[in-house]
Amino acid sequence: DAGVIQSPRHEVTEMGQEVTLRCKPISGHDYLFWYRQTMMRGLELLIYFNNNVPIDDSGMPEDRFSAKMPNASFSTLKIQPSEPRDSAVYFCASSLERASGANVLTFGAGSRLTVL
Amino acid sequence: AQSVTQPDIHITVSEGASLELRCNYSYGATPYLFWYVQSPGQGLQLLLKYFSGDTLVQGIKGFEAEFKRSQSSFNLRKPSVHWSDAAEYFCAVAVGGGADGLTFGKGTHLIIQP
Repeated sequence: DAGVIQSPRHEVTEMGQEVTLRCKPISGHDYLFWYRQTMMRGLELLIYFNNNVPIDDSGMPEDRFSAKMPNASFSTLKIQPSEPRDSAVYFCASSLERASGANVLTFGAGSRLTVL
Repeated sequence: AQSVTQPDIHITVSEGASLELRCNYSYGATPYLFWYVQSPGQGLQLLLKYFSGDTLVQGIKGFEAEFKRSQSSFNLRKPSVHWSDAAEYFCAVAVGGGADGLTFGKGTHLIIQP
């Protein structure tokens, strides 16, 4: 398996522009997570999906952020309009729920966003 | 809500020396515990995990961790570090087996001296 695939790896944009980050989870995984990593706040869970349905979006900073999962193999995280404080590395992770409850998250390589 | 504390922001160790990275968690019941490693510009890679059973767990790359309920700790150890171990290490806790995501500590940056 190719693992969790994220694109783009790097994005530089100007304040006010729309940004779309993409994620392809591992085939067969039924959970998908979006995390944000910054020096100040560390790794924060933004939102997660189970079987393509958003379960908890309480970590989404504000209405400028939205996430979708139209099918089991694709998810997007959109920021519109973007602001400099959104600069961070955004990680996607997926996992498979097991009867034992032993979920293990596999992370993608991340998308580094810089908003000027 | 659960939380994770990694008290050491940076640790410097000589190559070949032993390593212990500290992790304390706050949660009412026995949590699911993880250690991940992040190399520069990379994603997070799972080193090891504890769900139940033997409190000493073995992971990849020669790492091990010990769950101590009385101390609410899950410290990571390695008997002899290699220069390639230089990275950021994250301890994480989950409830519900991680199905609702992981809560991460702030990380410990490991520097290896030649």
